[in-house]
Amino acid sequence: ILNVEQSPQSLHVQEGDSTNFTCSFPSSNFYALHWYRWETAKSPEALFVMTLNGDEKKKGRISATLNTKEGYSYLYIKGSQPEDSATYLCARSNAGGTSYGKLTFGQGTILTVHP
Amino acid sequence: SQTIHQWPATLVQPVGSPLSLECTVEGTSNPNLYWYRQAAGRGLQLLFYSVGIGQISSEVPQNLSASRPQDRQFILSSKKLLLSDSGFYLCAWSPLGSGSSYNEQFFGPGTRLTVL
Repeated sequence: ILNVEQSPQSLHVQEGDSTNFTCSFPSSNFYALHWYRWETAKSPEALFVMTLNGDEKKKGRISATLNTKEGYSYLYIKGSQPEDSATYLCARSNAGGTSYGKLTFGQGTILTVHP
Repeated sequence: SQTIHQWPATLVQPVGSPLSLECTVEGTSNPNLYWYRQAAGRGLQLLFYSVGIGQISSEVPQNLSASRPQDRQFILSSKKLLLSDSGFYLCAWSPLGSGSSYNEQFFGPGTRLTVL
């Protein structure tokens, strides 16, 4: 994998459903994996930063896992609510002083939760 | 606390007109600064980044330029807009030596640019 890829591109679920989506990324020279939530007309908001293989992070009903060896991360939402509707972005940063903190973003997964 | 401002929030410009988008950060010093664009149906693409005053690096060849005249000010410009410049522009910052924060970036509210 050369780029950061997210799937699916979009997802429609009913309120109360649990859902998950995937972020795949190059595993070489890995430093950190970021998840952001981007609601319409707002700034992207950081959800998680994960660095270690096997990391699991949780914030309320949202959790994420990281596999740096195979280059993927999963984001889970338990009991989706309409306010979870947003675009979920993942981004990868490289190790090394010349990375200058740059992030490479996936194209995002657009989640719509129907009442 | 740190805040990041962008203006204008929306902009409609004719093809061939100039562009200036401004981003300022408050509450921090020597931030790394970034300009991103999201074109319709696509992900966030890094356009420029800056690690200090007057230091600009371009990630992709394009019709745009960036400048950093002050430590916490980042400007995105064009002399002549193209239709393909339409999109949503986001400015972001990360702390200097951001290794301790694993390169976490903080985003402004964005500018929606429509070129007609």
